[in-house]
Amino acid sequence: DQQVKQNSPSLSVQEGRISILNCDYTNSMFDYFLWYKKYPAEGPTFLISISSIKDKNEDGRFTVFLNKSAKHLSLHIVPSQPGDSAVYFCAETNFGNEKLTFGTGTRLTIIP
Amino acid sequence: EADIYQTPRYLVIGTGKKITLECSQTMGHDKMYWYQQDPGMELHLIHYSYGVNSTEKGDLSSESTVSRIRTEHFPLTLESARPSHTSQYLCASSEYGGNTIYFGEGSWLTVV
Repeated sequence: DQQVKQNSPSLSVQEGRISILNCDYTNSMFDYFLWYKKYPAEGPTFLISISSIKDKNEDGRFTVFLNKSAKHLSLHIVPSQPGDSAVYFCAETNFGNEKLTFGTGTRLTIIP
Repeated sequence: EADIYQTPRYLVIGTGKKITLECSQTMGHDKMYWYQQDPGMELHLIHYSYGVNSTEKGDLSSESTVSRIRTEHFPLTLESARPSHTSQYLCASSEYGGNTIYFGEGSWLTVV
């Protein structure tokens, strides 16, 4: 039973527009959420995180939103740039656990 | 920026060969991890370590073994490689009590 789901395997967005990547989770015990970005043939790179006591965290062009009642996490990228084209993974864990549970990833393509 | 290094980056070997994937980090992190990812699939934790002389099996069963003799070094070994071991292997590390895991660039293993 998959605990973390990214239901959109791919997403295409025009350069300059907003990219919205979504993630749903089933384990209400998760209390820390992360987004990673992965280019082909490279390891994932940490992007942004949020703890369950918050509903929003912003870092430059990246904003993560957490809706605990819906068990839903989203990543907004605005404005989208060609270098944002990559696979994005959401991941969840518990404080002090450090073992991450990853989603299957969403491939984002930014169209120039 | 994470300082975690994996070698080899790419390897093609024959069935039955023994292979060791090297992983080193210079951040002094206590915790280290090995994840496995097949194309288009989730990252699965196969091994982790809390520190020197500590090794644990991850969520996904693996025929590989690991050792942690030094804090900075966490090699993964396959005694007899099979085509089913063809995958990307990602090493990662984190601070004790930290929730962000930092990944190396990955090792692509192909067993023919």
